[in-house]
Amino acid sequence: TQLLEQSPQFLSIQEGENLTVYCNSSSVFSSLQWYRQEPGEGPVLLVTVVTGGEVKKLKRLTFQFGDARKDSSLHITAAQPGDTGLYLCAGINTNAGKSTFGDGTTLTVKP
Amino acid sequence: DAGVTQSPTHLIKTRGQQVTLRCSPKSGHDTVSWYQQALGQGPQFIFQYYEEEERQRGNFPDRFSGHQFPNYSSELNVNALLLGDSALYLCASSFSSQRSTDTQYFGPGTRLTVL
Repeated sequence: TQLLEQSPQFLSIQEGENLTVYCNSSSVFSSLQWYRQEPGEGPVLLVTVVTGGEVKKLKRLTFQFGDARKDSSLHITAAQPGDTGLYLCAGINTNAGKSTFGDGTTLTVKP
Repeated sequence: DAGVTQSPTHLIKTRGQQVTLRCSPKSGHDTVSWYQQALGQGPQFIFQYYEEEERQRGNFPDRFSGHQFPNYSSELNVNALLLGDSALYLCASSFSSQRSTDTQYFGPGTRLTVL
């Protein structure tokens, strides 16, 4: 069974601070996705990383896929209250055709 | 263009009852996956339907079954409900080529409460 561990589980910061959340596994994935989920809604895809060592930027968000394709990080610069939500990572094995999710990091950004 | 839609939004059942949840995929998508998300946890894969057949299944008992219709919509059925089945049930749709599955888009979910 492939497992994804996310850390920290909870993070509460002030507006303007920087933060990094992590997604780690002992398994290799074909690709890894990051989602953000707000209460009462389904997860919304933020990014997909495919190549080991890949770095993708989405405005203030920077995503990195580990060289061995087993881990990933999400860094947010100058966090804003609108960044508040549950951040989920999901590992994908193309042949398996399914996603394996971590339990997420709940981020609260206080104004 | 409508995204993934699910019905009902909320549902309350009692132990032992049966429930059917429905999902309409995003236009152009042919594959539907179902996930269970318990409070404080990430989504857990239940199963995936493609071409009206179950293509993949996660670690869920046979009480969980599904169906996909010719128009690609899907149903999730849960029999003999247990208290532990209380969760947010998410449907995700995607377009599958023969060799890979494209990005999946999630619906808003159905919140099931079992009393």
